[in-house]
Amino acid sequence: DARVTQTPRHKVTEMGQEVTMRCQPILGHNTVFWYRQTMMQGLELLAYFRNRAPLDDSGMPKDRFSAEMPDATLATLKIQPSEPRDSAVYFCASGLSSLAETQYFGPGTRLLVL
Amino acid sequence: QQPVQSPQAVILREGEDAVINCSSSKALYSVHWYRQKHGEAPVFLMILLKGGEQKGHEKISASFNEKKQQSSLYLTASQLSYSGTYFCGTEHSSGSARQLTFGSGTQLTVLP
Repeated sequence: DARVTQTPRHKVTEMGQEVTMRCQPILGHNTVFWYRQTMMQGLELLAYFRNRAPLDDSGMPKDRFSAEMPDATLATLKIQPSEPRDSAVYFCASGLSSLAETQYFGPGTRLLVL
Repeated sequence: QQPVQSPQAVILREGEDAVINCSSSKALYSVHWYRQKHGEAPVFLMILLKGGEQKGHEKISASFNEKKQQSSLYLTASQLSYSGTYFCGTEHSSGSARQLTFGSGTQLTVLP
């Protein structure tokens, strides 16, 4: 049963600390998406990659957020330094080719920045 | 710009039908529909591409009116398992990259 996995599932940290979230896409999927969900803003697309290359990151705050795909089996989202307003659930999703295809979501990383 | 979903919430009895609407002020390339249960990740339902198509998925179907820049999700003979928050995501073309923005969701509750 192929699934997207995310680690950690929960993270509590203090303001100013670096946070790294990891995602393992479904084997064979070449497109990876990062989303953030909060009560206030809802679901937001932060960035997405195809074949490990960033296609769009216009939804991501550039000054503190960075997203990379070191290899085809790992995508990372980093926040440095973290702020309380970054508290949210961060979802990773993977798909076969583009935005116009089915996306399979991981379980999410619930981040709380104190 | 975020698409507008209506209604914000709906309560049904098992077996009843519901329609959820999603409209955008910008030209659409595609519309995505997802369902999310409390505490879980969103689950894909369907994607509709521009061209005015209609799609079906069991007793859940959707239409896409490109001219009106809107989509509707139809749930017929609702089941208890249909409860959750339904999101539409609208894709717009912006330069070389496409952008996907989501509505604020429609909370659907199906009662026995």
